[in-house]
Amino acid sequence: EVQLLGSGGGLMQPGGSLRLSCTASGFSFGSYGMGWVRQAPGRGLEWVSGISNSGGTTYYADSVKGRFTISRDNSKNTLYLQMNNLRADDTAEYFCAKDHWVRGSYFDYWGQGTLVTVSS
Amino acid sequence: DIQMTQSPSSLSASLGDRVTITCRASQGIGNFLAWYQQKPGQAPKLLIYGASTLQSGVPSRFSGSGSGTEFTLTITSLQAEDVATYYCQKYNSAPPWAFGPGTKVDI
Repeated sequence: EVQLLGSGGGLMQPGGSLRLSCTASGFSFGSYGMGWVRQAPGRGLEWVSGISNSGGTTYYADSVKGRFTISRDNSKNTLYLQMNNLRADDTAEYFCAKDHWVRGSYFDYWGQGTLVTVSS
Repeated sequence: DIQMTQSPSSLSASLGDRVTITCRASQGIGNFLAWYQQKPGQAPKLLIYGASTLQSGVPSRFSGSGSGTEFTLTITSLQAEDVATYYCQKYNSAPPWAFGPGTKVDI
């Protein structure tokens, strides 16, 4: 059974940093791309970032480019999202999700989400 | 960037009704279109990919169609457990792999 367990969320002040993690199990982690999708309170889904199976290719939404960094450790079956210079509009539930292919496809499995709140 | 729109933004239907949701892309995306269902307090769940292929385990009352710029998600006989928000997502070639704004379905 595919499982994605997100963690690392919390309350941060504007300008602060946070690292989200997503631990995967139940599939060959290094064979698939992964991504992060966020959802602000009461709002829709926003694609944030993606990474290829090897980690060699990364993609970002314009809203986070230059502030967020996606990475992965295939030896630990773990996906990361380093979030720097956080802003109030980064407040959201962050979902990690498994790509159907090595990169850039639809998400066939999703984690339960981890909440990030940015407020002074 | 390619923009995704959905209509309607919300709808209310009766049990057993046929429900249709439309998703449009600002440029052609072939059939690189997925549909997700999100129930309150839950993560999204993949329903359909490739515009019309049903994900394993998804009830057959769900179907998808379309290609290019216009796509539809149809629920042939609405059930109580189908109350949710439905999102389309494009995943062709280049990012961002944008989602539509969602359609909220209730009874």
